[in-house]
Amino acid sequence: AQSVAQPEDQVNVAEGNPLTVKCTYSVSGNPYLFWYVQYPNRGLQFLLKYITGDNLVKGSYGFEAEFNKSQTSFHLKKPSALVSDSALYFCAVRAARSGAGSYQLTFGKGTKLSVIP
Amino acid sequence: KAGVTQTPRYLIKTRGQQVTLSCSPISGHRSVSWYQQTPGQGLQFLFEYFSETQRNKGNFPGRFSGRQFSNSRSEMNVSTLELGDSALYLCASSAYGQGAGELFFGEGSRLTVL
Repeated sequence: AQSVAQPEDQVNVAEGNPLTVKCTYSVSGNPYLFWYVQYPNRGLQFLLKYITGDNLVKGSYGFEAEFNKSQTSFHLKKPSALVSDSALYFCAVRAARSGAGSYQLTFGKGTKLSVIP
Repeated sequence: KAGVTQTPRYLIKTRGQQVTLSCSPISGHRSVSWYQQTPGQGLQFLFEYFSETQRNKGNFPGRFSGRQFSNSRSEMNVSTLELGDSALYLCASSAYGQGAGELFFGEGSRLTVL
């Protein structure tokens, strides 16, 4: 079974400061890891993914994520937060070799990011 | 390229009724998945379809069903609605066989059961 933990329900950061949203995962074999963002009353928007290769992955809107295999973590980061980054962020995982070719993702509970002006 | 389209966006039903939700995937995407999102349970996987075949099913009662058509459009149906079925139902499509298979989500159908 695979699982994702987002240990913080909410993260508050001042505008212009760096932000980090934490994610740890558990999966059999190599992971495919994803970050999504959700604005109120909207669907999930894909931010970035890790498949293989460089541990630092760059994505949309200036976000990046660092894959750490030994710590089974995939933290989302941004050097300078904007008020418009305030939203709900989800980390998700699936095994690189999923059964029956399934693309099912397991999501964390989400972290609400509030960027304070 | 148009994104994933879900209809209706909002609907209100009463207990015991049934509901059908529709999803049109991104053009060229043949894999469609459905997720239920609630404040308490977060995002829960419902089902996944590829080429009209259900590939995977989540841990939901038989009242929840789905299907996919030859044009990759998908529908899900919930019969005998219960109050606990109130949720945001999200559809996602994926270009099967390409890359990591990241999912692209629609805006969702918000179901309220009274």
